[in-house]
Amino acid sequence: GAVVSQHPSWVICKSGTSVKIECRSLDFQATTMFWYRQFPKQSLMLMATSNEGSKATYEQGVEKDKFLINHASLTLSTLTVTSAHPEDSSFYICSARNRGRQPQHFGDGTRLSIL
Amino acid sequence: GDSVTQMEGPVTLSEEAFLTINCTYTATGYPSLFWYVQYPGEGLQLLLKATKADDKGSNKGFEATYRKETTSFHLEKGSVQVSDSAVYFCALSDLTGGTSYGKLTFGQGTILTVHP
Repeated sequence: GAVVSQHPSWVICKSGTSVKIECRSLDFQATTMFWYRQFPKQSLMLMATSNEGSKATYEQGVEKDKFLINHASLTLSTLTVTSAHPEDSSFYICSARNRGRQPQHFGDGTRLSIL
Repeated sequence: GDSVTQMEGPVTLSEEAFLTINCTYTATGYPSLFWYVQYPGEGLQLLLKATKADDKGSNKGFEATYRKETTSFHLEKGSVQVSDSAVYFCALSDLTGGTSYGKLTFGQGTILTVHP
C-alpha cells in the first residue's frame, strides 16, 4: 500500500534551534500534504495544508513564521520549526494524499523535544 | 464547522469481549468517514472507511456503518484481542472544495486497553 516516510522520528535540541522535519511519499504523487500536531493523550490538530507548488494554508492560530512549510515537489514536504522553544515540544505528524483521492496516508510522526 | 465527537475513554476490556466505540459527527454536505488506529509512539493507520450513507467499512474484524440519519459511525468488534490495544480516532473528511479540500477533522481519540 501507499507509504509515507517521515524523518526524523525523534529529535532533541536546544532552545533557539530551528528544526526541519521531512515528509515523503514513497510510491505515489502527493498533491496535498497535511501537517498535524498532537499533544500527549490528545487528538491531532491540523496545522496547515500544503499543496504542491503553492503556499501552505494555515489553520487559525498557527503562526506562519514559526512553522514554515515547503512543498516543492510531488513527493516531499518539509516543516521547519524556527527558533524552537520548549512549548513547541510535541508530536508532529504529516499525511499525504494523491490527487483527488482518499484516504490520507500518515507518516509515523516526529517527536520533538526542546530543552 | 465540522466536528467529530467520540465516546470518552479509556475503555478497558478483557480479551474476547465485545467492543463498541461511539462516534457522532456534524458536517455540511456529505463527508467521508474514517476510523484510524494509533499504536504507541507511531503515526496513524487507516482502519476502515465509508464514503456514503449506509456504507459499511470493515477490516481486521472491526466494522462501522455510516448512518446519516443519526450522524453516527460507531466502531464495533465482536471479539477483541490484546493486540487491539491502541488509540482509536474517528474522523471525517471535508470534501466541499477549497484549499483545504480533503482535510481530516478528528475526534478526541479513545484509548482501548485489552487485558488477557
